[in-house]
Amino acid sequence: DGGITQSPKYLFRKEGQNVTLSCEQNLNHDAMYWYRQDPGQGLRLIYYSQIVNDFQKGDIAEGYSVSREKKESFPLTVTSAQKNPTAFYLCASKGVYNSPLHFGNGTRLTVT
Amino acid sequence: DAKTTQPNSMESNEEEPVHLPCNHSTISGTDYIHWYRQLPSQGPEYVIHGLTSNVNNRMASLAIAEDRKSSTLILHRATLRDAAVYYCILRDAYTGTASKLTFGTGTRLQVTL
Repeated sequence: DGGITQSPKYLFRKEGQNVTLSCEQNLNHDAMYWYRQDPGQGLRLIYYSQIVNDFQKGDIAEGYSVSREKKESFPLTVTSAQKNPTAFYLCASKGVYNSPLHFGNGTRLTVT
Repeated sequence: DAKTTQPNSMESNEEEPVHLPCNHSTISGTDYIHWYRQLPSQGPEYVIHGLTSNVNNRMASLAIAEDRKSSTLILHRATLRDAAVYYCILRDAYTGTASKLTFGTGTRLQVTL
């Protein structure tokens, strides 16, 4: 079955450490997205990518970095510069034009 | 980006119809209206989308106002499994593969027995 895989489901880190969240898709989609969700809040866009080796900042990119070396993969690094990194992180991908977004089941990151 | 406005929360009884409203007064002529829903601790899932005409699928119906400044997602018979946060977003049909897709806070639907 095609889909998006985010791993791990839960991640714990100490403050001051960088951490990388994995997102892999086998849907052959060009576009991929990273969102952050805080308790009781909507989704906020961190970064998005249209094609390999290209990505743009979303609304809350500070303290995050991404890479897009392969079509299937769009890892997100939460750096120590991110002041409030504890959140639920969601990855999504999309096919051409008006096709729907497909989301992974998220990674819940806790930084203490 | 054109924005959408939704009520923060709604309640429904099980097996009753539910009408979830969305206002998008600044919608452009090429914006599609998309609906997603998010179950607890999961990623959002696609529900339905439309441009001008009303749309039906196995999950729901989408009623779009004639002036397109508002729309309503209709769940014909709510079940406990429909309890989720419902998001209404606008998608421009001509911005290519990727565009800056933003979500609001959505409507939290509670379904009771």
